[in-house]
Amino acid sequence: QVQLQESGPGLVKPSQTLSLTCTVSGGSISSGGYYWSWIRQHPGKGLEWIGYIYYSGSTYYNPSLKSRVTISVDTSKNQFSLKLSSVTAADTAVYYCARGNTYYNVERGMDYWGQGTLVTVSS
Amino acid sequence: DIQMTQSPSSLSASVGDRVTITCRASQSISSYLNWYQQKPGKAPKLLIYAASSLQSGVPSRFSGSGSGTDFTLTISSLQPEDFATYYCQQSYSTPRSFGQGTKLEIK
Repeated sequence: QVQLQESGPGLVKPSQTLSLTCTVSGGSISSGGYYWSWIRQHPGKGLEWIGYIYYSGSTYYNPSLKSRVTISVDTSKNQFSLKLSSVTAADTAVYYCARGNTYYNVERGMDYWGQGTLVTVSS
Repeated sequence: DIQMTQSPSSLSASVGDRVTITCRASQSISSYLNWYQQKPGKAPKLLIYAASSLQSGVPSRFSGSGSGTDFTLTISSLQPEDFATYYCQQSYSTPRSFGQGTKLEIK
């Protein structure tokens, strides 16, 4: 059974960089047919797609965040990471990592999610 | 960017009711449409992918239909555990985008 688990600081100061890691277990991050995503949810609000990465390193980011976002993958640790720079209070949210499934070249949605981690931006 | 609009934003229904939630895309997305269920304090759960394919383990009372710009999620007979917020999401192009959500509440 595939499991994803987010980790990282729950409190980040304004103007600093938010850094989160998603550890994948029960499957290899290097397997073809999958992409590895970050999504966030502001308190009481809907879901916002941040971006995703393939194991090859190809990345796709939300243009609204693109200038501040970096997603990377570490296949040796079976992890992928999110960095969001120059954070403000508006970046306070629950951050989720998720696996996107494109097995057999069919887009099958994001089928496994981490439990989410609340990151608060405050001094 | 593709905008996704769900209706209604909230819905009250009773156990046993048949419920339909609508999602409209701002341009054609073929069948690249997914539905998620989210309960308070939990991660979203994939219900339907590719507009009408039921994710493994999801009860058959959930079904999806549509293509192009108009899609529906139907719950044939509401169960107590179905009261949650539902999101559609397009996977046709980046940036991926979600609908604003439909909160399904007990009447």
